[in-house]
Amino acid sequence: GEDVEQSLFLSVREGDSSVINCTYTDSSSTYLYWYKQEPGAGLQLLTYIFSNMDMKQDQRLTVLLNKKDKHLSLRIADTQTGDSAIYFCAESIRDKIIFGKGTRLHILP
Amino acid sequence: NAGVMQNPRHLVRRRGQEARLRCSPMKGHSHVYWYRQLPEEGLKFMVYLQKENIIDESGMPKERFSAEFPKEGPSILRIQQVVRGDSAAYFCASSENRGVMNTEAFFGQGTRLTVV
Repeated sequence: GEDVEQSLFLSVREGDSSVINCTYTDSSSTYLYWYKQEPGAGLQLLTYIFSNMDMKQDQRLTVLLNKKDKHLSLRIADTQTGDSAIYFCAESIRDKIIFGKGTRLHILP
Repeated sequence: NAGVMQNPRHLVRRRGQEARLRCSPMKGHSHVYWYRQLPEEGLKFMVYLQKENIIDESGMPKERFSAEFPKEGPSILRIQQVVRGDSAAYFCASSENRGVMNTEAFFGQGTRLTVV
């Protein structure tokens, strides 16, 4: 089946690391993505990882993929107020991208 | 190179009216995808089109919804006889290659449809 699950809320203090977790069900996914959506805005692709990789690092962002457990995580180092948004985990399956419901990241001062 | 352009950004329709949402893909992209985002929900796939062809419409409601991507002009998502439950943000994405075997599909800013 096609299903992507992620927790709905996460609160983190400014300066700490944020870790957003996601599980997916379809083992045939080619790419796994993290998108960011700010209020009233469209989707911004933050990063992606190819399914044969374990880890990808891009500045403050680290993506970890455990293909055996079908688990994907996004770590944001030194979380800033501008990181406050909804983060969507997504997987590519054949001709479409399947999204989770999004994790709302709230930054505490 | 402008990104994916959607218009209008906001659309208000009365129940029973028709809504037409437009999407102009990025230059050079011939694959378009429509997604719907209900309040407090993720994005749900609706339809995937290539120029003049519907490739996958498995996410489209069976009635009142239709989509096209003509040889010339933007892709259109059409909702006839709108109901309150159609109120949502509708996002369009485009890609250069078939499906999403490419690294990414680029998303537009969305059209927020409100049915009153």
